[in-house]
Amino acid sequence: DADVTQTPRNRITKTGKRIMLECSQTKGHDRMYWYRQDPGLGLRLIYYSFDVKDINKGEISDGYSVSRQAQAKFSLSLESAIPNQTALYFCATSQSGQGETEAFFGQGTRLTVV
Amino acid sequence: GQSLEQPSEVTAVEGAIVQINCTYQTSGFYGLSWYQQHDGGAPTFLSYNALDGLEETGRFSSFLSRSDSYGYLLLQELQMKDSASYFCAVRFKGRRALTFGSGTRLQVQP
Repeated sequence: DADVTQTPRNRITKTGKRIMLECSQTKGHDRMYWYRQDPGLGLRLIYYSFDVKDINKGEISDGYSVSRQAQAKFSLSLESAIPNQTALYFCATSQSGQGETEAFFGQGTRLTVV
Repeated sequence: GQSLEQPSEVTAVEGAIVQINCTYQTSGFYGLSWYQQHDGGAPTFLSYNALDGLEETGRFSSFLSRSDSYGYLLLQELQMKDSASYFCAVRFKGRRALTFGSGTRLQVQP
């Protein structure tokens, strides 16, 4: 089983719909992240959390919200999806004190907003 | 601003050596990481340079020079399976999470 699991793996949704992407991890890491990947733009940080009670905006948080339900779970919501949110979304984890060295990524969720 | 620059694409032949550069505009960061991503896959960690110099891991080596504001990933004895995108990443001082470069797509040809 994957250490970082994202669900769903693929999703097509309509403009204006609310959608939630889920991430769970079995690595026991305290830090979790949501990144968005678009062709030619690399990975851009949406939100991150260093603890269950800690939520921080990344560079492109507008239009998104997150919830850290437990140390192992970090979900990303699009309250009202729009076509330019079509992208590949990755959840990642790292351990405090090692966050600069290695992050572990889920397999990604390919989201299409039509 | 704080950003990382990489070439968008590199092509090389099987068995060759290729260097992928990563340049940045700030000196305030905690070290340079490299990640590999195959098409349709997740990024996976390759290497980390906390200090200036060369780090070697098998066919892959990574280098950092803070005084020259750049680093690179060196891939030797290229194999077809090395065809992938490669990303450099740092945690800039004042930020709490990694910032990634835009990635370099490596195509290895027979």
